[in-house]
Amino acid sequence: DTGVSQNPRHKITKRGQNVTFRCDPISEHNRLYWYRQTLGQGPEFLTYFQNEAQLEKSRLLSDRFSAERPKGSFSTLEIQRTEQGDSAMYLCASSLEQYGYTFGSGTRLTVV
Amino acid sequence: GEDVEQSLFLSVREGDSSVINCTYTDSSSTYLYWYKQEPGAGLQLLTYIFSNMDMKQDQRLTVLLNKKDKHLSLRIADTQTGDSAIYFCAGPLGGYQKVTFGTGTKLQVIP
Repeated sequence: DTGVSQNPRHKITKRGQNVTFRCDPISEHNRLYWYRQTLGQGPEFLTYFQNEAQLEKSRLLSDRFSAERPKGSFSTLEIQRTEQGDSAMYLCASSLEQYGYTFGSGTRLTVV
Repeated sequence: GEDVEQSLFLSVREGDSSVINCTYTDSSSTYLYWYKQEPGAGLQLLTYIFSNMDMKQDQRLTVLLNKKDKHLSLRIADTQTGDSAIYFCAGPLGGYQKVTFGTGTKLQVIP
């Protein structure tokens, strides 16, 4: 297992388009988290899953955002009708219970 | 709401010690983390400390926790140029399962 994998690494999209990101966590980790990071800021929590159940969603996660984790393995984060304000680094992390997140390298989204 | 605060920037000379400070609002956090982020990369867990500890040492890293003052610090001994990065203090605040991050401290190491 090589850690948390995120794809794609970079995504440039036109405003109004839909985008989907994928995260493959460490296989034995039951928790998976999505964070968003903008320049000069710390990561901001978006949502988290324990196995396949989505247990918490941030107020930051508007109706245009949806996350899934079918079968408790990989997860996808979809943004519909992207806006320029969605431009950020989207980080995925996984953990076994609540200790010691392992982060992926992130997906950098640029909305033009 | 729950918050984690850090100074934005620290500059040290190679070989000196670096001390990065963090304050947080929630005294009920059971553990606190330090993460490192290099340019264009994800976050790397450096170390963590449980709330029932005052200090933890791991090679060049020393974490000090003052629960009374809700203050956490990370000391890096013999700082190297490879230590240049942004350092984030983080912890589960407000009894939530998710981890809240500070804004990060950018450490610049001058050769």
